[in-house]
Amino acid sequence: QSVLTQPPSASGTPGQRVTISCSGSSSNIGSNYVYWYQQLPGTAPKLLIYRNNQRPSGVPDRFSGSKSGTSASLAISGLRSEDEADYYCAAWDDSRWVFGGGTKLTVL
Amino acid sequence: EVQLVESGGGLVQPGGSLRLSCAASGFTFSSYEMNWVRQAPGKGLEWVSYISSSGSTIYYADSVKGRFTISRDNAKNSLYLQMNSLRAEDTAVYYCARLWFDYWGQGTLVTVSS
Repeated sequence: QSVLTQPPSASGTPGQRVTISCSGSSSNIGSNYVYWYQQLPGTAPKLLIYRNNQRPSGVPDRFSGSKSGTSASLAISGLRSEDEADYYCAAWDDSRWVFGGGTKLTVL
Repeated sequence: EVQLVESGGGLVQPGGSLRLSCAASGFTFSSYEMNWVRQAPGKGLEWVSYISSSGSTIYYADSVKGRFTISRDNAKNSLYLQMNSLRAEDTAVYYCARLWFDYWGQGTLVTVSS
């Protein structure tokens, strides 16, 4: 049971906009930044969004993050086949990092 | 270019020990907090341990507290994870990652089995 709650799966067709939610509590998302990671099959995770809504250089602006209260969301617009991957949210929680259980995104 | 390269994984019997290493390059290692994260086969990411840039502050996940020890050698640009009393449920790919996981290594597989 993960501290941060994500839907196990999401899907969309090419060109669509998809959102993935991440629900936490006052001790993690409610009082700290949220981070998002993309993990393609067989590879290490890659940072997608940091500090709630900032994109590292090289990450397309199709990816965006937002946070409200104790929840956060990752939005992917203009969905592409190469976006098919697992997505994880993370936040600091007192004296530990906590991750969401991950969301498997399928591009139909 | 930031690079993190893990090593030291392998097959170990339950109750055994293993020491993982992470060699860092491409950045000022001594200025950055570091973490270990693991991923069991077919499962999600699980944070394991954190160490501050100087090594003075350390945190562990409850699942490894008392069995694992994180350390670093800033002179050698290296991060370590000493794993003792290993259990089957410790089987996973172990990643070292910088700061808020902005960079990750390729991972090293630890298999605990008799």
